[in-house]
Amino acid sequence: RKEVEQDPGPFNVPEGATVAFNCTYSNSASQSFFWYRQDCRKEPKLLMSVYSSGNEDGRFTAQLNRASQYISLLIRDSKLSDSATYLCVVIWGSGTYKYIFGTGTRLKVLA
Amino acid sequence: DAMVIQNPRYQVTQFGKPVTLSCSQTLNHNVMYWYQQKSSQAPKLLFHYYDKDFNNEADTPDNFQSRRPNTSFCFLDIRSPGLGDTAMYLCATSRETTQETQYFGPGTRLLVL
Repeated sequence: RKEVEQDPGPFNVPEGATVAFNCTYSNSASQSFFWYRQDCRKEPKLLMSVYSSGNEDGRFTAQLNRASQYISLLIRDSKLSDSATYLCVVIWGSGTYKYIFGTGTRLKVLA
Repeated sequence: DAMVIQNPRYQVTQFGKPVTLSCSQTLNHNVMYWYQQKSSQAPKLLFHYYDKDFNNEADTPDNFQSRRPNTSFCFLDIRSPGLGDTAMYLCATSRETTQETQYFGPGTRLLVL
């Protein structure tokens, strides 16, 4: 089983739709979680951290489910500019922590 | 305003011809990382420096080396590139090796012919 797994997509959604992605992780000792956004041929950029209590930033909501070992990202009112690959990152370790990336979920928002 | 800078942005090299990629940062972060990302794959950590301490990942081929002459600069040397080394190479920094945000440079796209 991969350490971090994501559905690669693509998810094709119309503008204005709500879309959600999940990311599962195998290490129950994982401590921190992030969502990054990566545009085609560009570097990953931090979208948001994921907290146990969930967090929201505008149209984006991230949730953590420790019992089932997954994190989720919900995008409301999708914009064309949301088209990108969304990478989840799971961190675990002791002393030196390691970023483990998922392979990403590709989102295409269609006009 | 660029915080993590990578040069060159694009590099074409021949099979077996050594190549060096450069990364510099203005954040004064302690940690610098090198990742390899192949098409449609997750970034894969090659190694990182905490200050001058080098930390290699167990599965990083010997063909990949790194140097960090000072806090601001870090280099990735590929001694004898193979066709399978065609990828995007991403440099990232963080203040500490804890659960902190990593900041990525724009990457260098390497093509080995």
